Amino acid sequence: DADVTQTPRNRITKTGKRIMLECSQTKGHDRMYWYRQDPGLGLQLIYYSFDVKDINKGEISDGYSVSRQAQAKFSLSLESAIPNQTALYFCATSDLQTQYFGPGTRLLVL
Amino acid sequence: AQRVTQPEKLLSVFKGAPVELKCNYSYSGSPELFWYVQYSRQRLQLLLRHISRESIKGFTADLNKGETSFHLKKPFAQEEDSAMYYCALIQGAQKLVFGQGTRLTINP
Repeated sequence: DADVTQTPRNRITKTGKRIMLECSQTKGHDRMYWYRQDPGLGLQLIYYSFDVKDINKGEISDGYSVSRQAQAKFSLSLESAIPNQTALYFCATSDLQTQYFGPGTRLLVL
Repeated sequence: AQRVTQPEKLLSVFKGAPVELKCNYSYSGSPELFWYVQYSRQRLQLLLRHISRESIKGFTADLNKGETSFHLKKPFAQEEDSAMYYCALIQGAQKLVFGQGTRLTINP
């Protein structure tokens, strides 16, 4: 489903660096989400947004920030990356029934 | 607090055998439950939702409110069913709460 895209797909960075993960969608959905996936923990919600002016914290927002630049774009930032933020990050959009996921960004923090 | 539990991290069955992936939940209210699947090198996608009571790729799942369960079943496993499976429920405002996931491997 190429309607939800994420860049970059893979990233290696060092502790203390600022990094931004980007998500774009062409589905026309107002609702967008950022999750991280860790082995054995499933997916955990970081932030979510119901429209351009609405940003909400999820379960694990500490150390992250987001920006909803437009209906189609939702970016996730790590202001000062740390090794335990090494994970697979997923963006998703939602109509009222289903969430549609991007392909994921694999992040390694050294 | 809302919670989804998938007790099996790994499940391995032979092709043609029945499959059951377990999911239990805790939720104060009427839950809306889903199964999502992630095939190798593909993105996470919706497999089925309990409201529609549908069968997708031979899989079914019945909501059992008494046992607070939403187990995923298939009578005859196929090799292409090998994947990571996540049970999830909707909290208010379309927030999904995911279980830890079960990696299903179908042996030939």
